[in-house]
Amino acid sequence: AQSVAQPEDQVNVAEGNPLTVKCTYSVSGNPYLFWYVQYPNRGLQFLLKYITGDNLVKGSYGFEAEFNKSQTSFHLKKPSALVSDSALYFCASNQGGKLIFGQGTELSVKP
Amino acid sequence: DTGVSQDPRHKITKRGQNVTFRCDPISEHNRLYWYRQTLGQGPEFLTYFQNEAQLEKSRLLSDRFSAERPKGSFSTLEIQRTEQGDSAMYLCASSLLGGTPPHEQYFGPGTRLTVT
Repeated sequence: AQSVAQPEDQVNVAEGNPLTVKCTYSVSGNPYLFWYVQYPNRGLQFLLKYITGDNLVKGSYGFEAEFNKSQTSFHLKKPSALVSDSALYFCASNQGGKLIFGQGTELSVKP
Repeated sequence: DTGVSQDPRHKITKRGQNVTFRCDPISEHNRLYWYRQTLGQGPEFLTYFQNEAQLEKSRLLSDRFSAERPKGSFSTLEIQRTEQGDSAMYLCASSLLGGTPPHEQYFGPGTRLTVT
């Protein structure tokens, strides 16, 4: 069965510093990977996806993610964090049309 | 706003009552999905439709749960004889027609169900 893991429940970063939110996957076949962000009491917002091609994927709000096949990872990154980036982040894999989510990582960016 | 909408946003019900939620997808999207999210967890897949056809149901979806998309547009999710364990956020999402590679799914704001 396919699975997605986010090894960190929480990540704390100072504003202006680079951030990384980690994700590893276990899938058979080609991995189709997604990052979503969830603000309090709101639904999930799509950030970016990896389908094929370049290992570095650029998405919304200055976020990017690096696909690494040998390490089965798809880490989310941003060069300079903003306080407004504080939210819950989910990595997901598309399995036959449905999304399989990780447990989420809460990102806290302090001024 | 042309995003996914859900109604109601919040529902409080007593154990044993039936509840129904509605989801209106993005108009040109053929696929509609339901997920359930409990506190501190990622969303879990429940079921999805392609147009009016229900293509897959999760084992999480007990016999008390039923979903419909009668005209291939909006969808309803009904829970009969609610239990306290049904308390969760119910999320609806929609996407363009599936295929390879898959399209991203766009989520609504969710319906938060509290069963007392």
